[in-house]
Amino acid sequence: NAGVTQTPKFRILKIGQSMTLQCTQDMNHNYMYWYRQDPGMGLKLIYYSVGAGITDKGEVPNGYNVSRSTTEDFPLRLELAAPSQTSVYFCASRGGDSSYEQYFGPGTRLTVT
Amino acid sequence: AQSVTQPDIHITVSEGASLELRCNYSYGATPYLFWYVQSPGQGLQLLLKYFSGDTLVQGIKGFEAEFKRSQSSFNLRKPSVHWSDAAEYFCAVGIGNEKLTFGTGTRLTIIP
Repeated sequence: NAGVTQTPKFRILKIGQSMTLQCTQDMNHNYMYWYRQDPGMGLKLIYYSVGAGITDKGEVPNGYNVSRSTTEDFPLRLELAAPSQTSVYFCASRGGDSSYEQYFGPGTRLTVT
Repeated sequence: AQSVTQPDIHITVSEGASLELRCNYSYGATPYLFWYVQSPGQGLQLLLKYFSGDTLVQGIKGFEAEFKRSQSSFNLRKPSVHWSDAAEYFCAVGIGNEKLTFGTGTRLTIIP
């Protein structure tokens, strides 16, 4: 049982490039989330999904896009990368039960230069 | 809007000493409250959670937290810290049943 996996672990992008951060969970969870973590700022929600085919914006969605074509996968797309998107990105998932616990992946460290 | 405040950015504690990390929240309804821990280079792991009932909740690794509605607080405690407790700790409040709002975190350093 791998839980939540994220690829890549590290990436350096040039300004204006695009990339997709991958997130997969094998727990059959309905809910999935993307956060960014910046020093001293905690975690900010970028996008989330309550099930396949359904996505919604979080607190800081500008510059990002998501899709949820399957229960397992929730990729995050960065178009026209900017230095402000330098951050550590975490994907998380949770089931539809009453525990509300979110399970986190190990993160992707992205640098835009 | 809901918010979570962790007033201590960094705390240093001697190994074996007791620990209390503070968390205050602002939320209009009965909150769901969580404490997560993040070791360096890792994702977040749930320590404990409060939904209702007994206001003193026990978690993993010997941690506990107490919900005080009158003070809008959910402080995390441990009677005796170990060097392995060095990490960053995040308090979070649940919004409805879909999303979490996180505090800015408290970094814990343990000295011998």
